[in-house]
Amino acid sequence: GAVVSQHPSWVICKSGTSVKIECRSLDFQATTMFWYRQFPKQSLMLMATSNEGSKATYEQGVEKDKFLINHASLTLSTLTVTSAHPEDSSFYICSAYSDMYSNQPQHFGDGTRLSIL
Amino acid sequence: AQTVTQSQPEMSVQEAETVTLSCTYDTSESDYYLFWYKQPPSRQMILVIRQEAYKQQNATENRFSVNFQKAAKSFSLKISDSQLGDAAMYFCAYRSSNTDKLIFGTGTRLQVFP
Repeated sequence: GAVVSQHPSWVICKSGTSVKIECRSLDFQATTMFWYRQFPKQSLMLMATSNEGSKATYEQGVEKDKFLINHASLTLSTLTVTSAHPEDSSFYICSAYSDMYSNQPQHFGDGTRLSIL
Repeated sequence: AQTVTQSQPEMSVQEAETVTLSCTYDTSESDYYLFWYKQPPSRQMILVIRQEAYKQQNATENRFSVNFQKAAKSFSLKISDSQLGDAAMYFCAYRSSNTDKLIFGTGTRLQVFP
């Protein structure tokens, strides 16, 4: 099946640091990638949708300047948490989707646990 | 707007027994997809089963099957012969045929007792 790689799996950094998370589709071209945030014992909250070569579409309430998303190629999207603070600590998950196979589900990465000290 | 509701925050089942997880959704669309995802403690999202709304036949995947009631907007997951490895959070999700976005329910935590 389709494989999505997310890196890093866990990052701990100091407050004020910017952190970049990568999401790669390894065996298919992802026309769309999604970024989710998940708090403990809660569901996945969609943050933004990114399409290759265009600006990401952010969900209501998500700060565009805080969470920078770049989808430079059909196999790579990045999420940068800028000037991270402890309240940004969370579990971030990406997923990838190809509109060539519209009846197929999104394929998820394994997630990144972000801890801001 | 579409919504997905999972009314059971927690469920438990004895090993080898059968358990059913509930999911209802609200939509005005006729063409859509429904999914059940499993999230074990590793937090990896694993697709369990999917259903196309235009198909009347309920989807099955080995020990997992769904009861899809389109008129009632219900999409329950039945796990037969439960195993310890089935213990996880289970999320029901909806996707319109017009969009790529998944709408998730709040999840049901399933415990499996030996």
